[in-house]
Amino acid sequence: SQKIEQNSEALNIQEGKTATLTCNYTNYSPAYLQWYRQDPGRGPVFLLLIRENEKEKRKERLKVTFDTTLKQSLFHITASQPADSATYLCARKAAGNKLTFGGGTRVLVKP
Amino acid sequence: AAGVIQSPRHLIKEKRETATLKCYPIPRHDTVYWYQQGPGQDPQFLISFYEKMQSDKGSIPDRFSAQQFSDYHSELNMSSLELGDSALYFCASSLRGSLNTEAFFGQGTRLTVV
Repeated sequence: SQKIEQNSEALNIQEGKTATLTCNYTNYSPAYLQWYRQDPGRGPVFLLLIRENEKEKRKERLKVTFDTTLKQSLFHITASQPADSATYLCARKAAGNKLTFGGGTRVLVKP
Repeated sequence: AAGVIQSPRHLIKEKRETATLKCYPIPRHDTVYWYQQGPGQDPQFLISFYEKMQSDKGSIPDRFSAQQFSDYHSELNMSSLELGDSALYFCASSLRGSLNTEAFFGQGTRLTVV
């Protein structure tokens, strides 16, 4: 079955370092992948979208890459700050209007 | 800017009761999604509507039903509630467009079944 999956282990990182999160997909080739941020008890907030023909996308300190050979998207938070602590979700939107998430990775940035 | 509005924010119900959750999408958005999120889990897709018609269905129990009304607001009806239905329920809206449109989520309704 078609899946997107993220590393469920929490990522603990020191302030100022770069956090790198992985989203792997299997049994399909998404035209787009989306990344969201979710804080506890709140709804996910859209961050970035990357197309399969884009190698890289940036927004301020965030960077997303898309590697169709590895079937993987990487999400980077550079110069991380404690305020970046949250759960980050990758998502795919399939035809028929179904947006599904990859499980999420919790990031904790320590001062 | 207007966001997705959900009501109520918190709801406590007893087992076997019925609950109705409401969602008001962003104006001019034609697609509404419903998600269920249990503790420590990512949001699980329940159902979506496009232009008031059901467009896709996920792991929604038969005890749940949903619809989208003429003013585009949506309601999720949950009957014969079980303890396991306790979760955060999110509604999201988007412009259907193509696959590259993002979804905007509401603040959620926290349902507690006792």
